[in-house]
Amino acid sequence: EVQLVESGGGLVQPGGSLRLSCSASGFAFRNFAMHWVRQAPGRGLECVSGINNNGGSTYYADSVKGRVTISRDNSKNTLYLQMSGLRAEDTAVYYCVKDLGYNPSTWFDPWGQGTLVTVSS
Amino acid sequence: QSVLTQPPSASGTPGQRVTISCSGSTSNIGTNYVYWYHQLPGTAPKLLISRDNQRPSGVPDRFSGSKSGTSASLAISGLRSEDEADYYCAAWDDSLSGPVFGGGTKVTVL
Repeated sequence: EVQLVESGGGLVQPGGSLRLSCSASGFAFRNFAMHWVRQAPGRGLECVSGINNNGGSTYYADSVKGRVTISRDNSKNTLYLQMSGLRAEDTAVYYCVKDLGYNPSTWFDPWGQGTLVTVSS
Repeated sequence: QSVLTQPPSASGTPGQRVTISCSGSTSNIGTNYVYWYHQLPGTAPKLLISRDNQRPSGVPDRFSGSKSGTSASLAISGLRSEDEADYYCAAWDDSLSGPVFGGGTKVTVL
């Protein structure tokens, strides 16, 4: 069974930094693109960032470009999201999501349970 | 403001058919597949329809997707109380070089 378990969320002050992790199991992690999708409280879904299977290609939403870095360690079956310069509008549940193939697409399945990031003083 | 446009809400009585629209442009829906996701209250989203109109294993055939030009639709036939959820369309956007979502449609079963 495919499992995606996010961790690293929490309360951080504006301007602070946080690193989210997603531990993957139940599939050949190195063969699949991965994404981070977030959902602000009471709001819709937003694709934050994605990465191809070998880490050589990434994309970022304009809202986080320059403040966020996605990476992966295929030897540890783990996806990361390093966030800095955090703002109140970054407050959201961050979901780790598996793609269908090597390169990022819009096939998001399955999703992790999410980790909450709260940016507040 | 989402790149893809969905109505904020839709509703129907049990057994009815409900349709949700998703409007985009030539850089997304017009040239790439549309996907639909649903999110039950308090849970993570799940894939409902892939590649415009394909149902993943386990998705009832009451759910169907279609696309024409730069618009897509999700239809739910034989509406059930358990279909109350938020529904999101998504597509790759060539101009933005990334996936984009619609703002979501909340379906209420009256």
